[in-house]
Amino acid sequence: ELKVEQNPLFLSMQEGKNYTIYCNYSTTSDRLYWYRQDPGKSLESLFVLLSNGAVKQEGRLMASLDTKARLSTLHITAAVHDLSATYFCAGTSRFAGNMLTFGGGTRLMVKP
Amino acid sequence: KAGVTQTPRYLIKTRGQQVTLSCSPISGHRSVSWYQQTPGQGLQFLFEYFSETQRNKGNFPGRFSGRQFSNSRSEMNVSTLELGDSALYLCASSLALTGGNGEQYFGPGTRLTVT
Repeated sequence: ELKVEQNPLFLSMQEGKNYTIYCNYSTTSDRLYWYRQDPGKSLESLFVLLSNGAVKQEGRLMASLDTKARLSTLHITAAVHDLSATYFCAGTSRFAGNMLTFGGGTRLMVKP
Repeated sequence: KAGVTQTPRYLIKTRGQQVTLSCSPISGHRSVSWYQQTPGQGLQFLFEYFSETQRNKGNFPGRFSGRQFSNSRSEMNVSTLELGDSALYLCASSLALTGGNGEQYFGPGTRLTVT
């Protein structure tokens, strides 16, 4: 059974700083996802990582996947207030279709 | 292209009642998954439907059921509602069961409150 753990659970940072959110998973995962959720809203898709060494970037966010270490990271560069949200990583297991197993989420607050 | 739609957006029900939620996936998408989000348990998988068949099921009691129609629209039903069923229910739409680019898109959710 796939288990996904994120850390930290809460992150308060100053604008302009860099930080990384870590996502560890327990068994082989076919696909690794990152989502953003604003308060009271749904999940917005950020990245899908499909293979070892995959790296994707969008604006100030960059996600990477290391399948050997069973680790994905979401790196935030020069944070701005608009990035304040909760970020979730999620994985799928082979033979389990699109079933996503989510981490507990990282609540990010970027202070001016 | 229209996104994933869910109706209703908000519901208030009483314990013991039943409720039906609806999800229309992105046009051309054939896989619909349902998730429950609560502050205590986080995001939990309920079930996935593909081509009108339930393909995967999460660890929820039999009071939770679903179905998918030939146009890929899906409904989920919760019978004999309990206070603990209060949650945000999200559906996700995907093109296929596996493979492809793996993208899964979420609808706006239905917020269910059980009193």
